Amino acid sequence: ETGVTQTPRHLVMGMTNKKSLKCEQHLGHNAMYWYKQSAKKPLELMFVYSLEERVENNSVPSRFSPECPNSSHLFLHLHTLQPEDSALYLCASSQGAGGRTDTQYFGPGTRLTVL
Amino acid sequence: SQQGEEDPQALSIQEGENATMNCSYKTSINNLQWYRQNSGRGLVHLILIRSNEREKHSGRLRVTLDTSKKSSSLLITASRAADTASYFCATRTHAGNMLTFGGGTRLMVKP
Repeated sequence: ETGVTQTPRHLVMGMTNKKSLKCEQHLGHNAMYWYKQSAKKPLELMFVYSLEERVENNSVPSRFSPECPNSSHLFLHLHTLQPEDSALYLCASSQGAGGRTDTQYFGPGTRLTVL
Repeated sequence: SQQGEEDPQALSIQEGENATMNCSYKTSINNLQWYRQNSGRGLVHLILIRSNEREKHSGRLRVTLDTSKKSSSLLITASRAADTASYFCATRTHAGNMLTFGGGTRLMVKP
């Protein structure tokens, strides 16, 4: 787990708050991902960045705004969230985004609760 | 509908027994991967099997892939209490940038 770190680990926010989730990978990878994991639902891919460019955006509401300033850091900016956005948000990285055998390395996640 | 679906959704066994989990998928794949997740934590990659492979081993793990049936199985032999976790299969298509995950199997190994 030390290869991909996420902060904070837990976050409670109101619907009018603005907060950011941070992910950092120490593996020298070129691709980074945001996933949402809700109870009793499969893992949902939100965004994919390859070499700091967004290559996938899976119809995510605009209240989630990703930022990838460099290949080691990924942010997810949150504003005016809804209670149904409460979930575990997982960051992952891989060597490349297009590699056919790429495995992904996950961070420990941020447990988000929206009141 | 999701690409990968695990079966069973939950499995409870005694320590020392073998655990078998199955994954079915719908479209042609390049590879299939199995991940493990301890409660409330990130996923950890266990094993990858390519579409031209039929079986793969890693320690106490054995994965099979049947592309004609679009299914895979993960066998954990001689299970331990520490194997208690959720196990997910994930598929990568030939064209995709993404892994598509199934809903997972929750395994409980009782000491």
